[in-house]
Amino acid sequence: QVQLVESGGGVVQPGRSLRLSCAASGFPFSDYGMHWVRQAPGKGLEWVAVIWYDGSNKFYADSVKGRFTISRDNSKNTVYLEMNSLRAGDTAVYFCARASFNIPDFWGQGTLVIVSS
Amino acid sequence: DIQMTQSPSSLSASVGDRVTITCRASQGIRNELNWYQHKPGKAPKRLIYAASRLESGVPLRFSGSGSGTEFTLTISSLQPEDFATYFCLQHSSYPALTFGGGTKVE
Repeated sequence: QVQLVESGGGVVQPGRSLRLSCAASGFPFSDYGMHWVRQAPGKGLEWVAVIWYDGSNKFYADSVKGRFTISRDNSKNTVYLEMNSLRAGDTAVYFCARASFNIPDFWGQGTLVIVSS
Repeated sequence: DIQMTQSPSSLSASVGDRVTITCRASQGIRNELNWYQHKPGKAPKRLIYAASRLESGVPLRFSGSGSGTEFTLTISSLQPEDFATYFCLQHSSYPALTFGGGTKVE
């Protein structure tokens, strides 16, 4: 069955960097785009970024453009989110989700990122 | 950006109740809307896609309707396992996806 497992979350100081990973299994990873979505404490969900199945296109929310980078390694069935210049407002649970016809269908359980000094 | 207004933000219901949740879009989005169920510490689960199409394996008590700017998720007879948070997602403005604020059913 489809499984997505996020990792790499933790506590990080403002201005520092963090890289999240999402390991996929149970489906042909290289055939699917992948999203990152986040949920700040007590808030709704916010789409963060998407990468196409072959990595040829990447799109970002305005709130993270220029600071976050999405990438993938199809040989490792893994998608990444490199987060730089982190701010308190980036504190959230970060979910990866498979994109079926560009739209999230299966999701992981999320990894918590806390940006705090 | 397309804004999604979801209501109510929470509701109290009992097993067997009919539950209705609404999402309104700030502009027309055709039928480009999904509904998800989310339980704490778990992965969100897609219930409905294209506004009214039931995801495989999802119980028939779940249904979705609407098009344009107003959409509804209905649970015909609430079961114990249905206590969760539900949210909508519009993808008409892909790649800029936007979510409703969520409805906690308790």
